[in-house]
Parts: sequence; C-alpha cells; structure tokens
Amino acid sequence: DVKVTQSSRYLVKRTGEKVFLECVQDMDHENMFWYRQDPGLGLRLIYFSYDVKMKEKGDIPEGYSVSREKKERFSLILESASTNQTSMYLCASSWSGRQETQYFGPGTRLLVL
Amino acid sequence: QQQVKQSPQSLIVQKGGISIINCAYENTAFDYFPWYQQFPGKGPALLIAIRPDVSEKKEGRFTISFNKSAKQFSLHIMDSQPGDSATYFCAARGSTLGRLYFGRGTQLTVWP
Repeated sequence: DVKVTQSSRYLVKRTGEKVFLECVQDMDHENMFWYRQDPGLGLRLIYFSYDVKMKEKGDIPEGYSVSREKKERFSLILESASTNQTSMYLCASSWSGRQETQYFGPGTRLLVL
Repeated sequence: QQQVKQSPQSLIVQKGGISIINCAYENTAFDYFPWYQQFPGKGPALLIAIRPDVSEKKEGRFTISFNKSAKQFSLHIMDSQPGDSATYFCAARGSTLGRLYFGRGTQLTVWP
C-alpha cells in the first residue's frame, strides 16, 4: 500500500513565524506535490517536484518555498507565515508516467494567528 | 484562469437516486481525466479515470461519460448511498510532469 505521511495533522503558528510542513512517501515516487485546499476553491497547486532538487511553481507559489533533498521527502516552507495562509495543506506523490495516480496524504490543517 | 470548471458546488440526492457532477475544460492537450473522492478528515483518493479515446467508463456504480467534441466530462453515481457522501473533484492532466488541474469540487450529500 502506498503511504504518504505528513508531519502534523494540526498546526498553530503566529504571524511572521517560519513554518515547515514535511511530507514523506514510501513508494519511491519521482513526483511530489503540495496543494492548498480552501472551501469553494478546490485544490490549488503550490509547488511540485519531479526529481530530487528539482522544483516547479504551481498556480499559487507566492509566499511559499519548497525543498526536496531526498527522493522520499518534500518540504513546504512558509518563510513568514501570514493569516491568509491559514488553510489545509495536502501533499501528494506519483510515479512519473503520463497517467499515474496521485496519492495524497491526510493533510495538515494550519492556523496562523 | 481556471483550467477545469466543475458544477454544481453542492448536491443533495436521496438514497437510491442518481448523482451527476459535470466538468468542462478548454485545453485540448489534456489527455487524462481522473475523478477523486475525499471523505472528511482524509486526503483525496482516485475513484475512476478515463482517457479521451473512450466515451464512457464504468466501475460498479460509478460511470464517467466523456464528450471530446464538447470538452466535457461527467461523473454519474447510480443508486447513490449515504456512504457516497463526500467531496468529489474532477481533474485533467496535460503535461509530461504529472501535474493535474483540479476542479473546485462538489460536496455530495446522500440522504438516507
């Protein structure tokens, strides 16, 4: 069974703090993704990575950065958290084929006060 | 600009009824159209998917209908059950790097 784990289910941070969200997958997937989920807006892609140390911007990269130093781990970084970054963050991974399923983690609900 | 438009935003169906969720896209380079199902507190999971060279795909009570000329596809849930109550996302893929473009989601509630 594919497993995608996220470091925290719930996180509360203060405005201006640096926030790290960690994602680990155990299936040797090449691709990893970070999404943000907000009511009525669906799943919006923040960043994705198709190989170690490689990254591509998604649709809403502003205010975020990512790091992929090892194949199984993809980190999302909020350099200076703001209240408008309060959201559900979902990590996903997939093999690199054209029609490969994305497997999602359970999500991290982040509240920025 | 939204690449995949999904409707309705919410849907209430009686047990045993048919649930229909519609999606539309513009980019003819899209070549793979999955549907994801998400239960509260969980991440989305692949439900069913279709390629554009097929007009219909059925898996149990779930059917995707695909209209390539109209650039539309829909999910039909036959004999809807309370356990089908979830949020459903359509998506489309168009790049070689594996990214999907998701619709905004439909919250389905099936009344017993």
